[in-house]
Amino acid sequence: GAGVSQSPRYKVAKRGQDVALRCDPISGHVSLFWYQQALGQGPEFLTYFQNEAQLDKSGLPSDRFFAERPEGSVSTLKIQRTQQEDSAVYLCASSLAPIRATGELFFGEGSRLTVL
Amino acid sequence: GENVEQHPSTLSVQEGDSAVIKCTYSDSASNYFPWYKQELGKRPQLIIDIRSNVGEKKDQRIAVTLNKTAKHFSLHITETQPEDSAVYFCAAKGGSQGNLIFGKGTKLSVKP
Repeated sequence: GAGVSQSPRYKVAKRGQDVALRCDPISGHVSLFWYQQALGQGPEFLTYFQNEAQLDKSGLPSDRFFAERPEGSVSTLKIQRTQQEDSAVYLCASSLAPIRATGELFFGEGSRLTVL
Repeated sequence: GENVEQHPSTLSVQEGDSAVIKCTYSDSASNYFPWYKQELGKRPQLIIDIRSNVGEKKDQRIAVTLNKTAKHFSLHITETQPEDSAVYFCAAKGGSQGNLIFGKGTKLSVKP
């Protein structure tokens, strides 16, 4: 595709529900990142993948958060038993460069999660 | 790990004036410093970046400077226009890390 695509764009969940957020990176991009952006704040790192390998998940706030990229392309961020503090925009970004190299991150439009 | 501080949090200028946003970082091994612009409800988009082997970089009305000794870098926008109004984020990528660490953002308002 022309850019990073995320779905759904908007998700409203009741507290305690599980949600899954999808990211389609730019074709051929090796690296994929997930960030959480609270209202009025900068993106906070959650996790990243190089191809299918999850190399760093140190930013995941709790064991309720889980991410995968099984075939090295599409990635899913899953949040179990959602809490109100999970409400945020979840941004996915991809890069042609491997993780240790420096290269532009291309962001998706984000998935806005609201937990009631 | 890396920590990035960004100032000011809000900045209001008259059209045609210059705007400067400053960031500091903590990890002396950081080697890549991009700046992203995010319009309301939109995705962050790269506007300029600089690597640690360069002290300054310009692209039309936008310039970035890097002082490795002091561990700070700045974004300079000249001849500001109303369409420059947005939130700007600085970021740093450490030599031992793969992820970008972002500052908290600066909301720039350019008044016509």
